[in-house]
Amino acid sequence: SQQGEEDPQALSIQEGENATMNCSYKTSINNLQWYRQNSGRGLVHLILIRSNEREKHSGRLRVTLDTSKKSSSLLITASRAADTASYFCAPDRGSTLGRLYFGRGTQLTVWP
Amino acid sequence: NAGVTQTPKFQVLKTGQSMTLQCAQDMNHEYMSWYRQDPGMGLRLIHYSVGAGITDQGEVPNGYNVSRSTTEDFPLRLLSAAPSQTSVYFCASRLPGSNEQFFGPGTRLTVL
Repeated sequence: SQQGEEDPQALSIQEGENATMNCSYKTSINNLQWYRQNSGRGLVHLILIRSNEREKHSGRLRVTLDTSKKSSSLLITASRAADTASYFCAPDRGSTLGRLYFGRGTQLTVWP
Repeated sequence: NAGVTQTPKFQVLKTGQSMTLQCAQDMNHEYMSWYRQDPGMGLRLIHYSVGAGITDQGEVPNGYNVSRSTTEDFPLRLLSAAPSQTSVYFCASRLPGSNEQFFGPGTRLTVL
């Protein structure tokens, strides 16, 4: 299987709290990408972390990658109601095959 | 740039009818993909293309055909629609190599 598996399937928190989502995968990768999907919309790219990186930040997002454990985590700090969405990880093998696989995602709900 | 566009936004078909879902991008992306998204199933890859004239099957290709005559367009054809093809369909594109994928807004298809 080439897709990532996100955990937990659903996460419910209050505004201001941090949200952590995890991703596990099975193949070797060139990079791993995280996407967000608001209800009824297409996926939007959030952040990409390369296999030689261990941590990356973008605004309130922090992504970590542990290639030895084949896992990644996405941390959203100081969550807002607008962060309510589904979050997907996509392990990218970086080959010329062009395929990118997605799992079932984590549904994050942030209550005001 | 318009990005990735999909038409129609909504479609209702009767079992056995055929139709084509349109997808176009104006970013000169070589890689294009079609996904379907069903509740609880995440996104599943139907077909993908790494350039004009080159297509290949993803995870769930049965019942769908694709062609790629130009870099810009990647239509998805349902030859004989079945209720099991009721889903939301997303088209996506990206540049070769390890780059983010851009998604269209989706087509919501119902087959009666």
